[in-house]
Amino acid sequence: SQTIHQWPATLVQPVGSPLSLECTVEGTSNPNLYWYRQAAGRGLQLLFYSVGIGQISSEVPQNLSASRPQDRQFILSSKKLLLSDSGFYLCAWSVIPNQPQHFGDGTRLSIL
Amino acid sequence: GQNIDQPTEMTATEGAIVQINCTYQTSGFNGLFWYQQHAGEAPTFLSYNVLDGLEEKGRFSSFLSRSKGYSYLLLKELQMKDSASYLCAPSLYNQGGKLIFGQGTELSVKP
Repeated sequence: SQTIHQWPATLVQPVGSPLSLECTVEGTSNPNLYWYRQAAGRGLQLLFYSVGIGQISSEVPQNLSASRPQDRQFILSSKKLLLSDSGFYLCAWSVIPNQPQHFGDGTRLSIL
Repeated sequence: GQNIDQPTEMTATEGAIVQINCTYQTSGFNGLFWYQQHAGEAPTFLSYNVLDGLEEKGRFSSFLSRSKGYSYLLLKELQMKDSASYLCAPSLYNQGGKLIFGQGTELSVKP
């Protein structure tokens, strides 16, 4: 069966520091991968999605970036975090587009 | 643009039936997903409608009318553990399976 791993579970970072969140999927090949952010009391906002290695689509202009160096690995990065980057970051995968997306447990990011 | 409208909060009694409505306006609509999200946790998939009509999965059913831009999630025999946020999410055609999430409906089940 397929599983998705996301780490770390919680992270506290100072403003201006870099960020790297990692997500890996097991048990499937060439999944579609997604990064979402959920600010406190808000809905999920799609940040990036990828349909294959090296293919990244960005949804919202911001100081975050994403990379997919391997088939089942998706990384969310920032060179300099802002206070507004605080939130609950969720990685998700699907077999093909327009099939159910399955979420990792998420990373709760606090910026101080 | 994209717009999803759901009630912010609902309250229901244990053992009862509750219907959570969702209206949407999107470009390139493909289908509609419902997710459940408990506080502090990741969303979990509940149901998916592509065609008009009712999809039933145990205590949960979901209905879609593509022409009206309308869906609902029906929860039967409510249990306390059903207290959660319910997210309506249309998917967009030809955009990598992109989901547009509404703000969610916070359901409180009372004894």
